Amino acid sequence: SQKIEQNSEALNIQEGKTATLTCNYTNYSPAYLQWYRQDPGRGPVFLLLIRENEKEKRKERLKVTFDTTLKQSLFHITASQPADSATYLCALVTGGGNKLTFGTGTQLKVEL
Amino acid sequence: DAEITQSPRHKITETGRQVTLACHQTWNHNNMFWYRQDLGHGLRLIHYSYGVQDTNKGEVSDGYSVSRSNTEDLPLTLESAASSQTSVYFCASSEGRVGATGQETQYFGPGTRLLVL
Repeated sequence: SQKIEQNSEALNIQEGKTATLTCNYTNYSPAYLQWYRQDPGRGPVFLLLIRENEKEKRKERLKVTFDTTLKQSLFHITASQPADSATYLCALVTGGGNKLTFGTGTQLKVEL
Repeated sequence: DAEITQSPRHKITETGRQVTLACHQTWNHNNMFWYRQDLGHGLRLIHYSYGVQDTNKGEVSDGYSVSRSNTEDLPLTLESAASSQTSVYFCASSEGRVGATGQETQYFGPGTRLLVL
C-alpha cells in the first residue's frame, strides 16, 4: 500500500541548532515533493518544492534533500529560532501534478 | 490582495443534518480542493475540481458532495452529518499543474472546525 511517513513524535531542539525532519514514502514515484508549515489554528503554508532530478534545494535557512532511491526527503532548518516552532508537512505531488498527498506532519519545538 | 476564505470558522451540528461549508477564492485559480485533517491521519483529500462544472472524488469522499458553478467558489456539503465527520476542514486552490505554470503551490484557507453531536 502507499504510505507517507513522518515522525509522529514531536522534535524538541535548542535555539541555534539545526532541526532535521524526515519524510519517507513507499509505493509512490513523485516527480515533485513539497514541504509546508502549519501553525495551530491555521492552514498549511508552502515553503519549498524540490524536483525528482534535484538532490538539494535551499531557501534562506531552509534546506531540502530528495533521494528517490531511498524514497526519502530531509528538511533542515539551520540556526533554528523559537519562531520556527510549528508542524511541518511533506506532500507528494501526484495526479499528474495537480494533487497533493500529505504526510501526517512532525511538530517542531525550538526552545530557548 | 488575493485570498481564500472559509465560512463558518466553527460549526456545531447534529447527526443527520445537512451542512454546507463555504470556500471562496479571489486568486482566479482553476483548481480547488477540500481536505479534512484529523489527528493521526494528516490532511486527506475529499473532493477536488479542475474548473467550472468539473468535480472529482478524492480519497475520503463518502458522505460529501461538491459543486462548481463558478471559478471562485467550491462549497462542500455533508448530506447527512455523522459523528465520524467531526474534523477540521481545509479548502485550497492552485493555478495549475505543479511545474507547468510556475505557481508551484496550493494556497490554503484558514479552516472550518466542525463538531457533529
